[in-house]
Amino acid sequence: GQQVMQIPQYQHVQEGEDFTTYCNSSTTLSNIQWYKQRPGGHPVFLIQLVKSGEVKKQKRLTFQFGEAKKNSSLHITATQTTDVGTYFCAGLANAGKSTFGDGTTLTVKP
Amino acid sequence: GAVVSQHPSRVICKSGTSVKIECRSLDFQATTMFWYRQFPKKSLMLMATSNEGSKATYEQGVEKDKFLINHASLTLSTLTVTSAHPEDSSFYICSARQEPNTEAFFGQGTRLTVV
Repeated sequence: GQQVMQIPQYQHVQEGEDFTTYCNSSTTLSNIQWYKQRPGGHPVFLIQLVKSGEVKKQKRLTFQFGEAKKNSSLHITATQTTDVGTYFCAGLANAGKSTFGDGTTLTVKP
Repeated sequence: GAVVSQHPSRVICKSGTSVKIECRSLDFQATTMFWYRQFPKKSLMLMATSNEGSKATYEQGVEKDKFLINHASLTLSTLTVTSAHPEDSSFYICSARQEPNTEAFFGQGTRLTVV
């Protein structure tokens, strides 16, 4: 079945440093979504990428979808303490259901 | 974004009893709802996909007789954990989407503890 791998599992950064998490799918995706889950909370939708090579920005967050539509990345510039949480990618293949990556947990040291 | 309400947020039950968890889309009609289970510091594991008016589709390894799913209307899906055991203790979370290939909105999750 479809597998979505996400790395790294954990990332500890100093406030102000950049952060990137990578997502790789075993199959070509229709789209990919990114979610953020704060400690003790539920996943919150961040963005959806659909087109090959697509790049979208949300303030300090930059999302990319690979040309082959099998990988994606989320980059945060100049992290802040409010960025802490676990970031999940979710890849949608033809079966109509999304498969979540294992998530990258970000901690930010002030 | 759209609002999905999940109830209860926490529940403690005795082994052998059943627990029902509700998932409601408050401001949109959800053609599809998903039920996930999340272990501590782990990812979301899809348990089943629920389409309004039809039987749920369960993922491999998920017992459909143990985890009963009912999607009776376009705004409500329920998950009933039957004959709960301590190993069923987990964080259960639902999500709902209005149309295929669109984003899903998550409920707040339910922390189930079976004692």
